[in-house]
Amino acid sequence: SQTIHQWPATLVQPVGSPLSLECTVEGTSNPNLYWYRQAAGRGLQLLFYSVGIGQISSEVPQNLSASRPQDRQFILSSKKLLLSDSGFYLCAWSVGGPEKLFFGSGTQLSVL
Amino acid sequence: AQSVTQLDSQVPVFEEAPVELRCNYSSSVSVYLFWYVQYPNQGLQLLLKYLSGSTLVKGINGFEAEFNKSQTSFHLRKPSVHISDTAEYFCAVSDNSGNTPLVFGKGTRLSVIA
Repeated sequence: SQTIHQWPATLVQPVGSPLSLECTVEGTSNPNLYWYRQAAGRGLQLLFYSVGIGQISSEVPQNLSASRPQDRQFILSSKKLLLSDSGFYLCAWSVGGPEKLFFGSGTQLSVL
Repeated sequence: AQSVTQLDSQVPVFEEAPVELRCNYSSSVSVYLFWYVQYPNQGLQLLLKYLSGSTLVKGINGFEAEFNKSQTSFHLRKPSVHISDTAEYFCAVSDNSGNTPLVFGKGTRLSVIA
């Protein structure tokens, strides 16, 4: 069966520090991968999605970036965090279309 | 591009009462529609989806939703809620090409009161 792993579960970082959140999927090949952010009062915002290795689409211009170094690995990064980067970050995957979208358990990021 | 509007940010309801969570969408092409549920500090789980066919869709935990093309709506309903239904509910839309990511609404927090 397919599983998605996302870590860490919680993270507290100072303003200006770097960020690296990792997501891996097991049990499937060539998934579509997504990073969403959930901020208070703003719902679920799509940040990046990838349909293959090295292919990243950015939905929202900001100081975050994403990379897909391997087929089932998706990394969210920042060189310098801002206060506004605080939120709940969710990784998700799908195969064969977005109607089968599965989410990880999320990372609660607090930038102080 | 598609968009979703969830009209209520919070809905309090007494246990065993019926509930309706409203969702309207905007799109220039045919769409797929979804409802997801998020329990505290967890990821999202799919409740139900409309891809094609019958406009009344039944999902898990006794929830159902009706696709209304003329009103561009996909409201979620449950005839009798339980305390365990307390959660955040998200409506989402994508075009029916299967190639575009889901666009989510801002969510509705359902609070079931004993």
